[in-house]
Amino acid sequence: QQQVKQSPQSLIVQKGGISIINCAYENTAFDYFPWYQQFPGKGPALLIAIRPDVSEKKEGRFTISFNKSAKQFSLHIMDSQPGDSATYFCAARNQGGKLIFGQGTELSVKP
Amino acid sequence: GAGVSQSPRYKVAKRGQDVALRCDPISGHVSLFWYQQALGQGPEFLTYFQNEAQLDKSGLPSDRFFAERPEGSVSTLKIQRTQQEDSAVYLCASSLGGLAYDWRNEQFFGPGTRLTVL
Repeated sequence: QQQVKQSPQSLIVQKGGISIINCAYENTAFDYFPWYQQFPGKGPALLIAIRPDVSEKKEGRFTISFNKSAKQFSLHIMDSQPGDSATYFCAARNQGGKLIFGQGTELSVKP
Repeated sequence: GAGVSQSPRYKVAKRGQDVALRCDPISGHVSLFWYQQALGQGPEFLTYFQNEAQLDKSGLPSDRFFAERPEGSVSTLKIQRTQQEDSAVYLCASSLGGLAYDWRNEQFFGPGTRLTVL
C-alpha cells in the first residue's frame, strides 16, 4: 500500500503551545520519513526527517516521534510561534525514491 | 546559490490547448522529480529522472502528459489537450544524488507553476 494518512486537517494553537500532527502509513518498505513545511505560493521545504530505525529526532523546537510497530509517526512543534503558521506535510519515501505525501495540516498559531 | 526555479509561475489555458512547464534544477543535481498538487492536497508524484533517463513515469495520469530532460539538466513537463481536471500546481524537485546516494538525499522543491484550465 502506498498511502500516508495525516491528521488533523487543520489545527489552531496559541502562541507558546505545542502543535502535534500525526501520520500513519501502511507500506513497511518505506525507508525515510520527512516532514515538509509549505507557505502560500511557495514549494514545500524540508523541515526535519527520520529513518525507521530511530524512535525520535529533535532539531530545535521540532521533534519527530516514530513508532515502527504501529506504523505511525508524529511532528511536535514546541513553543509554537505565529511564524510557524503554514501547511505541514508528512511524507514517506519508497525504495524507488518516490515521496508519498499526506494530505496536509494547516496550522494557525494565534498570538 | 540559486534554488530550483520554475516557469511560468502562472499559466492559464483554454481547454484543449497544449502547455509546457519548465523546471531548472539546482546545478549538478542528478535527480529530478515532478509532482502535481491539487488545491488543499499533498503533492502527488508524476515522474522521476536520473540525469537524462526517465526511470519512473508511473504517476503520469494519462498519455496527454509527457516529460523530458534531454541533457540531464532542465526538464519540461508537457500537457497536451488540457482538461479542467489538469488544473493544479505542478512542482519540480531536485536532489543531489541518484537513488543509491545516501539515506537523506533531500529533495529541494521549486515554487511551482499554477495551471488553470478554463
